[in-house]
Amino acid sequence: DADVTQTPRNRITKTGKRIMLECSQTKGHDRMYWYRQDPGLGLRLIYYSFDVKDINKGEISDGYSVSRQAQAKFSLSLESAIPNQTALYFCATSDFRVQSTGELFFGEGSRLTVL
Amino acid sequence: QKEVEQNSGPLSVPEGAIASLNCTYSDRGSQSFFWYRQYSGKSPELIMSIYSNGDKEDGRFTAQLNKASQYVSLLIRDSQPSDSATYLCAVEGSNFGNEKLTFGTGTRLTIIP
Repeated sequence: DADVTQTPRNRITKTGKRIMLECSQTKGHDRMYWYRQDPGLGLRLIYYSFDVKDINKGEISDGYSVSRQAQAKFSLSLESAIPNQTALYFCATSDFRVQSTGELFFGEGSRLTVL
Repeated sequence: QKEVEQNSGPLSVPEGAIASLNCTYSDRGSQSFFWYRQYSGKSPELIMSIYSNGDKEDGRFTAQLNKASQYVSLLIRDSQPSDSATYLCAVEGSNFGNEKLTFGTGTRLTIIP
């Protein structure tokens, strides 16, 4: 089983629908992140959380919200999906005990299509 | 100006040759630098990290860092077809206590058998 698990792996939805992407990890890491990847734009940070009580906006948080339900679970919600949110979404984790929080471990990705 | 810039490629290299991937960054205070490899349809995986000026070698991979020039590179020796992937450069910001990783757009590398 993957250390960082994302569900669903693929989702097609319609404009205006509420969507939740879920992430769970068994690595025991305290830090969790949500990124989106678009062709030509690379990986961009949406939200991140350094522990259960800590939630921070990334560079592209508008239109998204998150919930850190437990150390191992971090969910991303699109309250009212729009077509330009069509992208590949990655959850990632990192361990504060290593030299740098840049050592990320990624989930397998969730491909979201908004029609 | 983008914070982290990479040549988008694609870069084609014959099998057995050296592949050279380059990255420049804008935050002079950055201290941590990473190379991630991403196969088509897969998630990124960390292959190299470098924190000090100079070279860091790991098997066929060598990362090179020059903070004065704000430049980091990745060399892949004896390139294999399995090295064909997109390589992402990532730089950790210098905002203490709120370090975040900024990714380049990636360089697609193809190793020609």
